[in-house]
Amino acid sequence: GEDVEQSLFLSVREGDSSVINCTYTDSSSTYLYWYKQEPGAGLQLLTYIFSNMDMKQDQRLTVLLNKKDKHLSLRIADTQTGDSAIYFCAESMSGSGGGADGLTFGKGTHLIIQP
Amino acid sequence: GAGVSQSPSNKVTEKGKDVELRCDPISGHTALYWYRQSLGQGLEFLIYFQGNSAPDKSGLPSDRFSAERTGGSVSTLTIQRTQQEDSAVYLCASSLVVGGETQYFGPGTRLLVL
Repeated sequence: GEDVEQSLFLSVREGDSSVINCTYTDSSSTYLYWYKQEPGAGLQLLTYIFSNMDMKQDQRLTVLLNKKDKHLSLRIADTQTGDSAIYFCAESMSGSGGGADGLTFGKGTHLIIQP
Repeated sequence: GAGVSQSPSNKVTEKGKDVELRCDPISGHTALYWYRQSLGQGLEFLIYFQGNSAPDKSGLPSDRFSAERTGGSVSTLTIQRTQQEDSAVYLCASSLVVGGETQYFGPGTRLLVL
């Protein structure tokens, strides 16, 4: 079955880079996503990467995909206090010929910023 | 509208009562999704609609859960005879079409069953 794994917590100092890691099991994933959830708020799409790409950069965010190892990472450069949130990795089975096209989420990584 | 909206924001109900949760997707989005977020289970996918049709209802937790979408827009998720384990945040998302497209999420409805 599908499974997405993430570490529960990551603590970084303000100004440093944060790297949040995710592993997934289904090699037929078409898209992989990073969502951010702030306390009491809904899910905000940060970025996504198509499975035939290795890297995607968007301002302070860099996504790296290692399809062979089924490993996805999100790097946030110059981490700020406003980056404090839960970050969810998710995969989509869309295009695999089956399934319900819902996203499968990891349990989320709590990013804690130290002053 | 500008984004996905959901109502109510919060709902407190007594065990055994029925509740209706509403989702208004982004205008023009044909695909609509329901998820549940709870402490023990994380984020679970429940059901999706392509237009007014829900091809696969197997993700719904029990037969007390049902969902409908009319006019290709607003959707309601109904929970009958609520139980305490139904307490969670119910999230709705929409995308332009089903299949590989970005899903945009609403703020969620926080349901508490006493």
